[in-house]
Amino acid sequence: GDSVTQMEGPVTLSEEAFLTINCTYTATGYPSLFWYVQYPGEGLQLLLKATKADDKGSNKGFEATYRKETTSFHLEKGSVQVSDSAVYFCALSDGGSQGNLIFGKGTKLSVKP
Amino acid sequence: DAGVIQSPRHEVTEMGQEVTLRCKPISGHNSLFWYRQTMMRGLELLIYFNNNVPIDDSGMPEDRFSAKMPNASFSTLKIQPSEPRDSAVYFCASSFGRTLQPQHFGDGTRLSIL
Repeated sequence: GDSVTQMEGPVTLSEEAFLTINCTYTATGYPSLFWYVQYPGEGLQLLLKATKADDKGSNKGFEATYRKETTSFHLEKGSVQVSDSAVYFCALSDGGSQGNLIFGKGTKLSVKP
Repeated sequence: DAGVIQSPRHEVTEMGQEVTLRCKPISGHNSLFWYRQTMMRGLELLIYFNNNVPIDDSGMPEDRFSAKMPNASFSTLKIQPSEPRDSAVYFCASSFGRTLQPQHFGDGTRLSIL
């Protein structure tokens, strides 16, 4: 079945460092891909999405490119801030028509001042 | 616009008691999802509904768990009887129920079973 694999955390970076969180997927068909972020004590919220190959999703300085050839959707940010400390989830649509998503296990990011 | 509203935000109860978690989805959304999050297991999908009909309940842990969606604006997740291993944060999410549409999450119910 469809699945998402994320790099294991936690990831600890200094402020202004470059961030990459790896995400690869296995899917039949052509899923849409998402990154969600969960701040402490809150629910998940959509960070960015891409719906077809070579699409780049971007938001709040974060970017991810849908790479069909490598089945990847890595999350990047050029300069992280303390406020980016959160758990990041990669997800894909399951191909059904009801909006179900398959989530990765999440990667915790801690940014130190 | 109001987001997904969950209640209560926190629940502490003794094992054996019945627990009912409530969710009000975003108006107009026709898919609703219940998740459970723990440190050990991460985020797990328990059940989801589309147009008030349960589509997939394969994630429901056991018969002690049940979920209903009597109308488009309300859903419940019930645990009876509750056990300490049910302690977790339970999230409800809703969406327009189409492939390209994101899910919108509530802030969760933190459940502690003593």
